[in-house]
Amino acid sequence: DIQMTQSPSSLSASVGDRVTITCRTSQDITKWLAWYQLKPGKAPKALIYAASSLQSGVPSRFSGSGSGTDFTLTISSLQPDDFATYYCQQYDTFPLTFGGGTKVEIK
Amino acid sequence: EVQLVESGGGLVQPGRSLRLSCAASGFRFDENAMHWVRLVPGKGLEWVSGISWTGAILGYAVSVRGRFIISRDNAKNSLFLQMNSLRIEDTALYFCAKTNDLDYWGHGTQVTVSS
Repeated sequence: DIQMTQSPSSLSASVGDRVTITCRTSQDITKWLAWYQLKPGKAPKALIYAASSLQSGVPSRFSGSGSGTDFTLTISSLQPDDFATYYCQQYDTFPLTFGGGTKVEIK
Repeated sequence: EVQLVESGGGLVQPGRSLRLSCAASGFRFDENAMHWVRLVPGKGLEWVSGISWTGAILGYAVSVRGRFIISRDNAKNSLFLQMNSLRIEDTALYFCAKTNDLDYWGHGTQVTVSS
């Protein structure tokens, strides 16, 4: 199985901050990585697919980058609605695997 | 609008069974692979099982292989997960999700396994 190492596991930030979350895979997945946002009581929301493509309806302050084994999710200017937990996921190889999650909290 | 609505969760004793359902609408269900993913308390997201659009290709996490069975009914736009021999560690919020990049998810159905 492809192992996913996501960091940090949590962070505190203020509205307007630039936030970066990283995800490293145990083998080359080219670009087959996605990012998701989870909030309690809500359906998980897909943010990014194919490492850098924005899902429909996702604000442009979210961006993804990377290829191979190293990937990044960036929120350019954190908004109140962005406080949530974020996960990366690879879909290059079955079984699909997820990072451990990053909880973004209000500073 | 894409909608995925899970049902069938509940409180069950270890060793018993549950059948989860996912009702899909707003897209061509019979053209998309579908998956079950669970959110385990204190652990995060775990892929459980997936099925190709025809139903011919199935995949399972090692933790559920031999106990869970995924299936679909394209005529009824529905996805299922038959969960047998349930264990305490199967306790989680179970989501269905669309396509391999999981572009849409439902709100989930809670499964609690406890004696």
